Amino acid sequence: ILNVEQSPQSLHVQEGDSTNFTCSFPSSNFYALHWYRWETAKSPEALFVMTLNGDEKKKGRISATLNTKEGYSYLYIKGSQPEDSATYLCAAGGSQGNLIFGKGTKLSVKP
Amino acid sequence: SQTIHQWPATLVQPVGSPLSLECTVEGTSNPNLYWYRQAAGRGLQLLFYSVGIGQISSEVPQNLSASRPQDRQFILSSKKLLLSDSGFYLCAWRSAGTHIAVTEAFFGQGTRLTVV
Repeated sequence: ILNVEQSPQSLHVQEGDSTNFTCSFPSSNFYALHWYRWETAKSPEALFVMTLNGDEKKKGRISATLNTKEGYSYLYIKGSQPEDSATYLCAAGGSQGNLIFGKGTKLSVKP
Repeated sequence: SQTIHQWPATLVQPVGSPLSLECTVEGTSNPNLYWYRQAAGRGLQLLFYSVGIGQISSEVPQNLSASRPQDRQFILSSKKLLLSDSGFYLCAWRSAGTHIAVTEAFFGQGTRLTVV
């Protein structure tokens, strides 16, 4: 059974701050690591899907890195804005079709 | 374009009553289908997933069951609800294929279930 851990559980930052949070996953039998953003009253939406060790992906002010050898991924947000407030979920994708999520990091950005 | 429909949006049910939540996907064929639950203060837990009609994989033992009577229909059921079944239920789909691990998931709007 895949076990995905995220930290911190919650984070409060000021507008303009840069921040990052961590996702840990089993490094053995790794296939893919997903990041999703879940805003209040909306459905989770995919940000990135990453597979290669050392991979880095970017979407606007948000970027993510992947280390498959040690089993972690970082999500970075540069210059946080109030609209970035959401729960950020990571998930490990298995070869059999399962997709296991961590508990998420709830980010609150104060204006 | 593909769309996913999940209903009802909210549900209040007494303990011991049955449950049926339905999810349908349009605009794609042979999707992988998923049921997740977020209990209060907890993360998104995978309950069931299906890679084809009649094929159901259960991630955790529980008071719930799932069925896939048609290609794009996924149903979550219970014969007798428990208080611990309360939570936010999300249906999701992913494209099938040999690279399933890298395909992103698309989620429905969710059902807020309160068992009283």
